[in-house]
Amino acid sequence: DIQMTQSPSTLSASIGDRVTITCRASQNINNWLAWLQQRPGKAPKLLIYKASSLESGVPSRFSGSGYGTEFTLTISSLQPDDFATYYCQQYYNYGYTFGQGTKLEIK
Amino acid sequence: QVHLVQSEAEVKKPGASVKVSCKASGYSFSGWFMHWVRQAPGQGLEWMGRINPTSGETNLAQKFQGRVTMTRDTSISTAYMDLSGLTSDDTAIYYCARESSWTDYWGQGTLVTVSS
Repeated sequence: DIQMTQSPSTLSASIGDRVTITCRASQNINNWLAWLQQRPGKAPKLLIYKASSLESGVPSRFSGSGYGTEFTLTISSLQPDDFATYYCQQYYNYGYTFGQGTKLEIK
Repeated sequence: QVHLVQSEAEVKKPGASVKVSCKASGYSFSGWFMHWVRQAPGQGLEWMGRINPTSGETNLAQKFQGRVTMTRDTSISTAYMDLSGLTSDDTAIYYCARESSWTDYWGQGTLVTVSS
């Protein structure tokens, strides 16, 4: 299976900050990567697909980039609703593996 | 408007089986694969497998082969995930999610608790 490694595991930030989360794949996955947001007690929600395409209805402060094995999710100016856990997921092949998650906390 | 509505929470004894359902609406059920993902308490997301609603063919994570059965009933636009031989390690929230290459819509989750 393809292993997905996110960093950091926890990130403390303030409202208005710009933050970046990194996801690394154990092998090339082209741009077959999605980013999901999960708020406590809720189902995951799709933010980004194909590494950099913004899902309809998702605020433009979210952006994704990367290709091959290294990817990033950036939130340009943190809002209160953004404090959640973020997961990357590869869909290059079966296994559809997730990163371990990055918990974004209020500083 | 796409909706995936899952069955209610279940409590099961060790060794038992559980069957979770996922009823789809707002789109053509047969046109999109359905995935199952679980999340143990305080843990991350774990992909279990997916089913092709048209053919019934499944792709399962190796970890769950032999213990998970995924089925569907196209007449009622519902997918099912059956997990046997339950242990306390199977206590988790189980989600269904529609695939558009990536997983775009998710069910609300079904809590399965395994306890003697």
